[in-house]
Amino acid sequence: SQQGEEDPQALSIQEGENATMNCSYKTSINNLQWYRQNSGRGLVHLILIRSNEREKHSGRLRVTLDTSKKSSSLLITASRAADTASYFCATSNFGNEKLTFGTGTRLTIIP
Amino acid sequence: GAVVSQHPSRVICKSGTSVKIECRSLDFQATTMFWYRQFPKKSLMLMATSNEGSKATYEQGVEKDKFLINHASLTLSTLTVTSAHPEDSSFYICSAEYTDTQYFGPGTRLTVL
Repeated sequence: SQQGEEDPQALSIQEGENATMNCSYKTSINNLQWYRQNSGRGLVHLILIRSNEREKHSGRLRVTLDTSKKSSSLLITASRAADTASYFCATSNFGNEKLTFGTGTRLTIIP
Repeated sequence: GAVVSQHPSRVICKSGTSVKIECRSLDFQATTMFWYRQFPKKSLMLMATSNEGSKATYEQGVEKDKFLINHASLTLSTLTVTSAHPEDSSFYICSAEYTDTQYFGPGTRLTVL
């Protein structure tokens, strides 16, 4: 299977704390994207990082990419109750638009 | 920008009937759309790639006669689940690519009785 893995599978933290999720994948990639999914809803695109980039920021989100270790991390700072959701990483290969999704992390922010 | 819609959001049908799900890109054109299936608390599994004006490309293990895909225009792709059975009950999500990013529809919850 090409599917990547994310850890932890589930994470519960207090509101205001930082949340870190990790994603590992198996093949060389063109880019890696992070998505959020609220229960029973579609996916919301959060951030895209290309294979030649190492770090990217967007608001309270910070994404890192280590292609030598085939891994990425998503950091959400100053978490809020509204951040409660499942978070997925997804990779695409060169010349191929298809996305391969990780197993996801279920994040719960405790008010 | 880059909004994708799906219709219906929820459908309940009897075993043996066919169900059509629509996926539309509202503010951009998409030559390629993707159809995914998601089981409860699981990740997304790609079912097929829908190409405007040509046949869809199905992933291994996905029955093309069971899941019919039609991408008749640059803004619309349809997935028809034919002769649905209870094991087809799932959450179906489509996406369309715009500037290197896939934008997802809100999903369709299919329940087959």
